[in-house]
Amino acid sequence: DTEVTQTPKHLVMGMTNKKSLKCEQHMGHRAMYWYKQKAKKPPELMFVYSYEKLSINESVPSRFSPECPNSSLLNLHLHALQPEDSALYLCASSQDGTYGYTFGSGTRLTVV
Amino acid sequence: QKEVEQDPGPLSVPEGAIVSLNCTYSNSAFQYFMWYRQYSRKGPELLMYTYSSGNKEDGRFTAQVDKSSKYISLFIRDSQPSDSATYLCAMREDTGRRALTFGSGTRLQVQP
Repeated sequence: DTEVTQTPKHLVMGMTNKKSLKCEQHMGHRAMYWYKQKAKKPPELMFVYSYEKLSINESVPSRFSPECPNSSLLNLHLHALQPEDSALYLCASSQDGTYGYTFGSGTRLTVV
Repeated sequence: QKEVEQDPGPLSVPEGAIVSLNCTYSNSAFQYFMWYRQYSRKGPELLMYTYSSGNKEDGRFTAQVDKSSKYISLFIRDSQPSDSATYLCAMREDTGRRALTFGSGTRLQVQP
């Protein structure tokens, strides 16, 4: 299995909702990442987990809360988002950060 | 000045042309260099991965890294309409910050 699977593919949520994005990989990769991508822009790093520990937090607002329950799973919990948080949220994984990253297809999030 | 500079295009070429895509960077600590292809509304897909300087070829794709000039290139031979996508360069330090830094992406259109 050489894929990163993200669910849901699309999500519409209100500003008072709580929702979660899920990411799963079974390649034995020990580093996992959340990126945010706005239209016609490159991906922006949000969080890095290395060996299930949070190693980088790019000063992301606390309304985004990451979680790594085990080496195959990565969640992003969302609460009280703003319309400007609407974007494509990408999960990626890599062997240990030294090789190319494998990206999922993303969750397209719309905050209304 | 951005750490990684990439011409956003769009770049329009006829089918069968040789395409040259480039990035320049300022951080001399970058050691890992990658090219990703991203189709509209999809996650980035790793095309080429290079460590340090040199050339790497894979089918119609050739990646070149010139660390002395802080310049990387991706060449696509015999370009096809299916190559129409956004191409993102990405790079990473060997130690220190273990996360990718992306260029802004070049949009490529291959006309049939």
